[in-house]
Amino acid sequence: NAGVTQTPKFQVLKTGQSMTLQCAQDMNHNSMYWYRQDPGMGLRLIYYSASEGTTDKGEVPNGYNVSRLNKREFSLRLESAAPSQTSVYFCASSRQGNIQYFGAGTRLSVL
Amino acid sequence: TQLLEQSPQFLSIQEGENLTVYCNSSSVFSSLQWYRQEPGEGPVLLVTVVTGGEVKKLKRLTFQFGDARKDSSLHITAAQPGDTGLYLCAGAGDSNYQLIWGAGTKLIIKP
Repeated sequence: NAGVTQTPKFQVLKTGQSMTLQCAQDMNHNSMYWYRQDPGMGLRLIYYSASEGTTDKGEVPNGYNVSRLNKREFSLRLESAAPSQTSVYFCASSRQGNIQYFGAGTRLSVL
Repeated sequence: TQLLEQSPQFLSIQEGENLTVYCNSSSVFSSLQWYRQEPGEGPVLLVTVVTGGEVKKLKRLTFQFGDARKDSSLHITAAQPGDTGLYLCAGAGDSNYQLIWGAGTKLIIKP
């Protein structure tokens, strides 16, 4: 019963370093999403992939890139990390009706 | 731009008390979802309301969708420490893939 799996769970980066957050779902969902969650601001959509082969910008895409590797996997890349990107990142997937299933999150600190 | 305002942002009450959390917007939503998030985890769907005026009950939790489908409320009767968490509302609007998220209500139930 894995659902949505995110790796790593924790990461500390120095300003300017790059990293990729991995996400995989085993529910055969078409759509996948990357959010960031900051205190008092709820969930903000970074990028989403409505279906395999497509990606679209969300509310806060600057500084991020994504890859929909296949139907199961959707990765988020920070090319040059900045302290403003310190946050908790969540991956989610959905089949239909907008109901989304979330991973446990990646806690990222950029020093 | 569609927005969802949640209130209160924070609520700390004693076990056994009742409480209501509100989610308001000036926009119409095709459906509205309520999620609960525990520390260190991703949000988990509690309920989806679709029809204006709809009321759904989940044990001690009662969810209502406004007649005009612009607002929703979550009422908890006889709150328990296990109800502690972050409650998020999310509305399905113009996009088939994107949800509009409220900022969340952090609820603490003291024994």
